[in-house]
Amino acid sequence: GAVVSQHPSRVICKSGTSVKIECRSLDFQATTMFWYRQFPKKSLMLMATSNEGSKATYEQGVEKDKFLINHASLTLSTLTVTSAHPEDSSFYICSADSTSGSGETQYFGPGTRLLVL
Amino acid sequence: GESVGLHLPTLSVQEGDNSIINCAYSNSASDYFIWYKQESGKGPQFIIDIRSNMDKRQGQRVTVLLNKTVKHLSLQIAATQPGDSAVYFCAENSGYSTLTFGKGTMLLVSP
Repeated sequence: GAVVSQHPSRVICKSGTSVKIECRSLDFQATTMFWYRQFPKKSLMLMATSNEGSKATYEQGVEKDKFLINHASLTLSTLTVTSAHPEDSSFYICSADSTSGSGETQYFGPGTRLLVL
Repeated sequence: GESVGLHLPTLSVQEGDNSIINCAYSNSASDYFIWYKQESGKGPQFIIDIRSNMDKRQGQRVTVLLNKTVKHLSLQIAATQPGDSAVYFCAENSGYSTLTFGKGTMLLVSP
């Protein structure tokens, strides 16, 4: 149980294009999902907290207009990287909270590797 | 041995040895801690957790120790196996519904 999937697993795009990444909780409902970014040999950095039916909460320094988050249902959150540039190339990981939103029990997706040329 | 610097701290051990991975956390208000294992190109995988009202918790081949006085967390892996090779992260929850991850330690297990 508690499986989280991400799609696509990897994507290569041209600079200036937009890329959408999906995060799904497969066997549980998640009122809260989280989006992280991870650079090579670095730790996970929280980008934003996504709550179903409401606006996402972005961490300091994360541009909300560049990283659009939509949490349309209890099992799906999407991250859209708009007008992607090479510096946006990274490993994007989502997680889903299976509890009441405490953030403690987070199940992680397998990640999406984004390469912007 | 263990090395730190510009690269990810690395702990190299022989198969069968016991491994100890350390983590210093930042927030004295944190009350819940988790160790994750991350293999290359994959998402983090839950290993073990501990609450601040405990100082030790054991799982299968793993033990987590918490020292709140010095804000230190450690993960002990018994009889380390090549499959344990990965990057290990500690994470803390300070009650704000988010997790803060530590910098990570790469564990290399040689046969």
